[in-house]
Amino acid sequence: QVQVVQSGAEVKKPGASVKVSCKASGYTFTSNAMHWVRQAPGQRLEWMGWINAGNGNTRYSQKFQGRVTITRDTSASTAYMELSSLRSEDTAVYYCAREDGGGGMDVWGQGTTVTVSS
Amino acid sequence: DIQMTQSPSSLSASVGDRVTITCRPSQSISSYLNWYQQKPGKAPKLLIYAASSLQSGVPSRFSGSGSGTDFTLTISSLQPEDFATYYCQQSYSTLCTFGQGTKLEIK
Repeated sequence: QVQVVQSGAEVKKPGASVKVSCKASGYTFTSNAMHWVRQAPGQRLEWMGWINAGNGNTRYSQKFQGRVTITRDTSASTAYMELSSLRSEDTAVYYCAREDGGGGMDVWGQGTTVTVSS
Repeated sequence: DIQMTQSPSSLSASVGDRVTITCRPSQSISSYLNWYQQKPGKAPKLLIYAASSLQSGVPSRFSGSGSGTDFTLTISSLQPEDFATYYCQQSYSTLCTFGQGTKLEIK
């Protein structure tokens, strides 16, 4: 079945970087874009950026521009999101989500909890 | 960025009620509007895409309408499993944005 599976929880110190992976299966990875969305505790969904898995083109939210990098490895059907210069406000659950042909995000990962604490 | 404003922010309703949630973008987005349901501790679930198309497997009591700058999500007869938080999201711009969410609670 179509699914995306994310890497496990991370604990990082302020100033560090984190890289979260998102492995896709059950469909042709390069046929769909992959989005990254985060949710701080008790807060709304926040869109971070996306990658065209076919050609590697990316777009980032202005809020994260300069701190976030989204990449993909087509041979491994995996997308990655790296966030640098972490601060406590980056503590959140990070999701990857596949974009379907209709424009919605139809398949979501299980979420990766990133905790930033000294 | 296109700002998405949902109303109300929270809503109390009873099983069997008809409920409507509104989403208004800061500029026209044609029909590039999607709705999601999220339950505590779970990933969001796509309900409606392109403003009014029901995602496969989603019960028909959910419906979406609207275009431009005014959209609605309607649940025709609330079921116990529908109590959750609902988000709208625009895919008109390559810079996506979500609404602030509407928490639907049991009265």
